[in-house]
Amino acid sequence: DGGITQSPKYLFRKEGQNVTLSCEQNLNHDAMYWYRQDPGQGLRLIYYSQIVNDFQKGDIAEGYSVSREKKESFPLTVTSAQKNPTAFYLCASRGQGYEKLFFGSGTQLSVL
Amino acid sequence: AQSVTQPDIHITVSEGASLELRCNYSYGATPYLFWYVQSPGQGLQLLLKYFSGDTLVQGIKGFEAEFKRSQSSFNLRKPSVHWSDAAEYFCAVGFSKSGNTPLVFGKGTRLSVIA
Repeated sequence: DGGITQSPKYLFRKEGQNVTLSCEQNLNHDAMYWYRQDPGQGLRLIYYSQIVNDFQKGDIAEGYSVSREKKESFPLTVTSAQKNPTAFYLCASRGQGYEKLFFGSGTQLSVL
Repeated sequence: AQSVTQPDIHITVSEGASLELRCNYSYGATPYLFWYVQSPGQGLQLLLKYFSGDTLVQGIKGFEAEFKRSQSSFNLRKPSVHWSDAAEYFCAVGFSKSGNTPLVFGKGTRLSVIA
């Protein structure tokens, strides 16, 4: 079954702690994205990667970091510098063209 | 700046009634237009898309959308809403033919369906 897997579904962060959200895809897509979703705010782009070993900042990259060492994986680290990390995080990957954009089922991050 | 506006934060309709969700964009040319649906705690699913040609496009689950260049709009419609349509709906626009620039999403419209 091809798709995008985000884990864990729920994650809790203590103050001052870094946490990493996992995103794996087996669709052979080059492009991958991380979005943050807050109620009433829509989806805001954090980082995206068009190809392995390369990534670009989105609109709200501060307090986040990513890596793209493998085509299948695009983990997102929420650092302690992100003062308001509670949100729903969505990962997506894209094949050729916009219509080939697929989303994972998300990770809800909460602060303890 | 390129932007997408969904003017309605929350809409409530009765089951069986018609539905129209509004979307306006700001861009100098015709962008690539999309509507997505999201159930609570889930990812987004593509409902329909417009790239060019016929300005009335059909999508999944009985939805359609009409592109109006003069109004910079791409409104989503459904003739008869079912309770299962309750969800959040996002309009999105893309600005490159290759798809290499990320989609820009509106803030969403939450749809509630009452009996």
